[in-house]
Amino acid sequence: EAGVAQSPRYKIIEKRQSVAFWCNPISGHATLYWYQQILGQGPKLLIQFQNNGVVDDSQLPKDRFSAERLKGVDSTLKIQPAKLEDSAVYLCASSLTAVRETQYFGPGTRLLVL
Amino acid sequence: GENVEQHPSTLSVQEGDSAVIKCTYSDSASNYFPWYKQELGKRPQLIIDIRSNVGEKKDQRIAVTLNKTAKHFSLHITETQPEDSAVYFCAARGGAGGTSYGKLTFGQGTILTVHP
Repeated sequence: EAGVAQSPRYKIIEKRQSVAFWCNPISGHATLYWYQQILGQGPKLLIQFQNNGVVDDSQLPKDRFSAERLKGVDSTLKIQPAKLEDSAVYLCASSLTAVRETQYFGPGTRLLVL
Repeated sequence: GENVEQHPSTLSVQEGDSAVIKCTYSDSASNYFPWYKQELGKRPQLIIDIRSNVGEKKDQRIAVTLNKTAKHFSLHITETQPEDSAVYFCAARGGAGGTSYGKLTFGQGTILTVHP
């Protein structure tokens, strides 16, 4: 079974620039999550989709972060404009459903903002 | 919302010894507690999980215990090997009626080093 795919794996940008990350969940998984993992910390949920609808985006900094999941499959996460404190690994995860199923993580995108 | 505290932040053991990592959670409605292992530069991978209707679960050298009354759960690794060296994260998922329903909240992580 193919896992969660993410791209790019690494990205270096300057502050105030824009960046976008892409995620392809495991086939058939209805729920998709974006997490931010700052060095030395546990993953923090940014946004959760159920199919193409947003379930939880309470911790998404909406003034600069946006995410979409068109057609309920792939998802993109965008940061515009980026700040130094956005340097982190952005992890995408998916699960069959939201409430009872295991979450499987992608390899992450490591972002460095200079 | 849910708050998950994890201890210790670092743990160093000799090969063959046991390792124990403890987590506490705040939301009594939480009902699912997974443990993830993350090697350097790699994705978190689920190693074991436990649901709130079970007190203990074992899988070879790994076990997890849950005390719902005290709101804490622990990961036990026996006969540790150098390849067990990694960062371990606990997490708690909110249950119905709680403030974090369906949401996974992670602990801060424990860096486990197993010395040969």
